Amino acid sequence: DAGVTQSPTHLIKTRGQQVTLRCSPKSGHDTVSWYQQALGQGPQFIFQYYEEEERQRGNFPDRFSGHQFPNYSSELNVNALLLGDSALYLCASSLVPGSSYNEQFFGPGTRLTVL
Amino acid sequence: KQEVTQIPAALSVPEGENLVLNCSFTDSAIYNLQWFRQDPGKGLTSLLLIQSSQREQTSGRLNASLDKSSGRSTLYIAASQPGDSATYLCAVRGGAGGTSYGKLTFGQGTILTVHP
Repeated sequence: DAGVTQSPTHLIKTRGQQVTLRCSPKSGHDTVSWYQQALGQGPQFIFQYYEEEERQRGNFPDRFSGHQFPNYSSELNVNALLLGDSALYLCASSLVPGSSYNEQFFGPGTRLTVL
Repeated sequence: KQEVTQIPAALSVPEGENLVLNCSFTDSAIYNLQWFRQDPGKGLTSLLLIQSSQREQTSGRLNASLDKSSGRSTLYIAASQPGDSATYLCAVRGGAGGTSYGKLTFGQGTILTVHP
């Protein structure tokens, strides 16, 4: 049973560029959440996608956008990159938000470095 | 706004010791609480999930308790081993008004080092 997968593993960009990160959820899961983890900090919630729509959003600017595809995979896009966007980006999958048992499973993350 | 605090920030113990990691949260209206392990530069591995109606969960040498009314959880690790060295993160899924329905709010983690 494949777990959550993310690509790429590492990415180096320069300020002002745009980046797209990808995530495939665990088999059987239909909800994808994205988190940003700065060095030495706990992950911060960016947004959650279910049924191809953004259902909930954290305190992140509009430069952060996403998409969910019919096969439940998801993309995170970040425009106009800033140095402060350097972080580990984590994708988590789970069952439909309304499920009372809603354990989130995380992927290995994408390390983004902005120079 | 839900806030999660973990104490201590770092812990160093000799192999074989039993230890307790602490987590507190400000809004008791949670759906569940998860404990995760994170190795350096890696993703998160789910260790235990406690539903809001439960008091504790056990998996091997790990035992997590939840006191929702007081906003506290503890992770107990028995007979610690060098392989337990990692960062341990506590996260809650809040239920207040549905605004935190799906997201996890994390603490900053406890860095555990178990030395031989």
